[in-house]
Amino acid sequence: AQKITQTQPGMFVQEKEAVTLDCTYDTSDQSYGLFWYKQPSSGEMIFLIYQGSYDEQNATEGRYSLNFQKARKSANLVISASQLGDSAMYFCAMRASSGGSYIPTFGRGTSLIVHP
Amino acid sequence: GAVVSQHPSWVICKSGTSVKIECRSLDFQATTMFWYRQFPKQSLMLMATSNEGSKATYEQGVEKDKFLINHASLTLSTLTVTSAHPEDSSFYICSAYDRVEKLFFGSGTQLSVL
Repeated sequence: AQKITQTQPGMFVQEKEAVTLDCTYDTSDQSYGLFWYKQPSSGEMIFLIYQGSYDEQNATEGRYSLNFQKARKSANLVISASQLGDSAMYFCAMRASSGGSYIPTFGRGTSLIVHP
Repeated sequence: GAVVSQHPSWVICKSGTSVKIECRSLDFQATTMFWYRQFPKQSLMLMATSNEGSKATYEQGVEKDKFLINHASLTLSTLTVTSAHPEDSSFYICSAYDRVEKLFFGSGTQLSVL
């Protein structure tokens, strides 16, 4: 069975500082994908970053980077230079095979608050 | 990134009426779409997997007759909440993998049943 664990229900960070949101995963698949999404109060799920299991380099998208440690099965999101607009819920997700289908699995989410 | 369009963004209806929510993939074909329900401050709860041209696969505990899913084309899936009641009030959101297997979401629908 696939599982995503986000152990931080809430995080606080000061504006302009970096913050790391933790995510660990569990799967028996060799080929899988890991995602991070931002969900502001409006409810939309905004795609931030993707890491494939065979990608050797850590994914980066602007201020977002994914610290992928395959042996430890972790895929932490690093946000550099936090901005007030980064305050939102953040979800880690995984695409892996489950009985032949690729149903995405989500973590419980981390609420990030950026304060001035 | 790929675009998934979901309508309506919000809907208010009377108890006993049916509500249809549309999810369209605008720039790619999606043989599979996923429908979620989300309660405030909680994670996404998968309701069903919508398969183009065949019956949807529902998660355990989701009433098939209440939440009708139709995936008639490669770009459109619909969720119909039949005979809606106040307990069906929730945020509903759809998603689909694009051609390079990245998962994109619609903007979500806030349903309020009076």
